[in-house]
Amino acid sequence: DQQVKQNSPSLSVQEGRISILNCDYTNSMFDYFLWYKKYPAEGPTFLISISSIKDKNEDGRFTVFLNKSAKHLSLHIVPSQPGDSAVYFCAASGGFQKLVFGTGTRLLVSP
Amino acid sequence: DAGITQSPRHKVTETGTPVTLRCHQTENHRYMYWYRQDPGHGLRLIHYSYGVKDTDKGEVSDGYSVSRSKTEDFLLTLESATSSQTSVYFCAISDQTGGAGQPQHFGDGTRLSIL
Repeated sequence: DQQVKQNSPSLSVQEGRISILNCDYTNSMFDYFLWYKKYPAEGPTFLISISSIKDKNEDGRFTVFLNKSAKHLSLHIVPSQPGDSAVYFCAASGGFQKLVFGTGTRLLVSP
Repeated sequence: DAGITQSPRHKVTETGTPVTLRCHQTENHRYMYWYRQDPGHGLRLIHYSYGVKDTDKGEVSDGYSVSRSKTEDFLLTLESATSSQTSVYFCAISDQTGGAGQPQHFGDGTRLSIL
């Protein structure tokens, strides 16, 4: 039973445009949500997080939006850069810092 | 970058043999985790530790055991490796002094192939 879902396996965007990556979850007990970026042959790198008491968190080019009623969150990258090309994982925390990950979305930003 | 070293980085072994992967951290973080990453599954938690000699099971713990005798080292053992355990294994650490939602930081992974 996949509690965190990333339904788009891949996304292609042109440099300078907005990238929107989506994530859905089923467990209403999740209280923190995180996004990680992963390059090949490297470990995931933390990008940005949001608490369930907020609906938006921004860090430079990265903004995460949380819609609790829809159990949906999204990561916006503006403007997208070729160096952003990577696999992005959504993760949710249900306490004790045990993370549940989605299956990832591969983002390709073309020049 | 968080000081996390995984060893070995690559390993090929045969079905039925025991395998031990090591995670070493220099951050003095309390929490350590082992995940496996497989296509179509993302990262799944195998075991985690919340202190020296304090460990607990994760989502996919069958066939794996862990030990933590020192703060800096967290070992993952496949007692009798099977082909279904071919995967990329990631260690992660976190320090909960920052409160809930503290992100975990990952090592660069161990690619394990079981023939």
